Amino acid sequence: EAGVAQSPRYKIIEKRQSVAFWCNPISGHATLYWYQQILGQGPKLLIQFQNNGVVDDSQLPKDRFSAERLKGVDSTLKIQPAKLEDSAVYLCASSGRGGAYNSPLHFGNGTRLTVT
Amino acid sequence: AQKITQTQPGMFVQEKEAVTLDCTYDTSDQSYGLFWYKQPSSGEMIFLIYQGSYDEQNATEGRYSLNFQKARKSANLVISASQLGDSAMYFCAMRVGSLYNQGGKLIFGQGTELSVKP
Repeated sequence: EAGVAQSPRYKIIEKRQSVAFWCNPISGHATLYWYQQILGQGPKLLIQFQNNGVVDDSQLPKDRFSAERLKGVDSTLKIQPAKLEDSAVYLCASSGRGGAYNSPLHFGNGTRLTVT
Repeated sequence: AQKITQTQPGMFVQEKEAVTLDCTYDTSDQSYGLFWYKQPSSGEMIFLIYQGSYDEQNATEGRYSLNFQKARKSANLVISASQLGDSAMYFCAMRVGSLYNQGGKLIFGQGTELSVKP
């Protein structure tokens, strides 16, 4: 089966600009996650979708970050305006059994964002 | 609070030797899963092995095994016969919740960078 697809692979922007990332999960996976991974740290959850509804966005900086998942499949994550501290890898993941604790998350290759 | 702790920022191992990467966790949930992921320099997160909280046997997947000590809340990863391609970041992660809990996010530790020497 095809894995989680993300684009773009790399993005360089200036601070205060906007940027958007796209994710296509594994076919049939109802749960989709966006993680932020700052260099040298473990990934941190930004937002979790179940189908097209938000389950957890408690760590999403809502003044500048937004995310949507139209029709319960593809998802986009947007940052507007970007700050220097947003430089990170943004990982999209999907899971086939909702929040089941015994189901692994499958990750895409990530988008490496550099804010200058 | 739920937390994963990896106390080894970096580890070195000689090729063909075995290595243990430490992981301790904290949760008050009875149902949880423990995972190890490998992240090479290219950035992708590769799922390696899973251990459920109710599993009595330690999980094994090829050269990977998970040393699960529930009373100590530890879930150490053992890699046998290390290869040069094993050089990467390794993350321990935990997922809590019931089969029908929509809130089952994955919580990661800080990671351990493993370097395999020829």
